[in-house]
Amino acid sequence: DAKTTQPTSMDCAEGRAANLPCNHSTISGNEYVYWYRQIHSQGPQYIIHGLKNNETNEMASLIITEDRKSSTLILPHATLRDTAVYYCIVRSGFNDYKLSFGAGTTVTVRA
Amino acid sequence: GAGVSQSPRYKVAKRGQDVALRCDPISGHVSLFWYQQALGQGPEFLTYFQNEAQLDKSGLPSDRFFAERPEGSVSTLKIQRTQQEDSAVYLCASSNPTGNSPLHFGNGTRLTVT
Repeated sequence: DAKTTQPTSMDCAEGRAANLPCNHSTISGNEYVYWYRQIHSQGPQYIIHGLKNNETNEMASLIITEDRKSSTLILPHATLRDTAVYYCIVRSGFNDYKLSFGAGTTVTVRA
Repeated sequence: GAGVSQSPRYKVAKRGQDVALRCDPISGHVSLFWYQQALGQGPEFLTYFQNEAQLDKSGLPSDRFFAERPEGSVSTLKIQRTQQEDSAVYLCASSNPTGNSPLHFGNGTRLTVT
């Protein structure tokens, strides 16, 4: 059973912020939200993860709602090189060592 | 620093041949994973090692698939008597099992069975 729901695809304008939504309504208290992306012909690339607080790094920001049932990945200034499939994944903090990928969101950044 | 390295990058095999795919994890990473990715799909878990111990092989699709990591570093995924349905990208990832460490993936081996 899928733990997350993401839109199949979305377009973004170059230079603008890209906001990628993810629903994870059945998330439990010890589960983290992870985001990966996969650019064509490359392996998945780790972006960011969080438990309940908002997180920011050099690549993106992760906003998790207070009830933790959904989150948004924000790419602050999308570039053409951000075109990729983005995966939102829920992973246990303790014994779920593996990542279970869904279909992800195909994000196309347009000039 | 060096990331996860996989070789070969591309492999073409005739149906029935055996293949061996190699993964060099990030130095010092205890955990190692193999995934299979069919065209247009997300990666699917195959197997997991912690050091040399194979702790989970629940994702291996058949007994033709075998993975090993004898010295707890380099790993090899072997597929015997390849079939056309084995055509996919095989991804390797490594991580530290401390806390909630992310997996770091290589760029995969694209296997085509003709």
